[in-house]
Amino acid sequence: NAGVTQTPKFQVLKTGQSMTLQCAQDMNHEYMSWYRQDPGMGLRLIHYSVGAGITDQGEVPNGYNVSRSTTEDFPLRLLSAAPSQTSVYFCASSRGQFAGYEQYFGPGTRLTVT
Amino acid sequence: SQQGEEDPQALSIQEGENATMNCSYKTSINNLQWYRQNSGRGLVHLILIRSNEREKHSGRLRVTLDTSKKSSSLLITASRAADTASYFCATGSDRGSTLGRLYFGRGTQLTVWP
Repeated sequence: NAGVTQTPKFQVLKTGQSMTLQCAQDMNHEYMSWYRQDPGMGLRLIHYSVGAGITDQGEVPNGYNVSRSTTEDFPLRLLSAAPSQTSVYFCASSRGQFAGYEQYFGPGTRLTVT
Repeated sequence: SQQGEEDPQALSIQEGENATMNCSYKTSINNLQWYRQNSGRGLVHLILIRSNEREKHSGRLRVTLDTSKKSSSLLITASRAADTASYFCATGSDRGSTLGRLYFGRGTQLTVWP
């Protein structure tokens, strides 16, 4: 099992550009989520999904879109990149409701917006 | 904020010593989890403790939970250089609109010197 994979590992964007961060898991997990990690801030939840076709907003959803057309994939779209979105982004999955189950994290995508 | 707060922010010890990290939180929870993050990597789940449990062990790890004091501690016994990492607590919300979400603290950076 590859677990949770994320691409790309690194990305540099100019302000106003858009891009999609990819996340895939091969564990047949229903629950998936996106977090951002900023220095001194811990991880903050951006969006999450409890199954294919079902998504919802987390703590910091502005500027990001998600969709979940399959169980395996949960891409995160930056609509118009801003320097404030410079961060490390982690995708995670679990077999049940987040708080009650172990979260499996991907290796992260380090994004810089200039 | 529903975020947990780890203490201390940084801890430096010698190999063989024990390391204790604390997590305090403000709202009621249903579960609490601890994660480890090696530099430049994703988070790895260590242990989950439910609100009706007081103590849990896993190998060299011991986690306690005191819901009356809204605090948890992670003890790593006989530390090794390989334990050098950041450690995060994540509290599971039991509140209606955020039920089941995980809230991560800012982490404790543990350095174990050979």
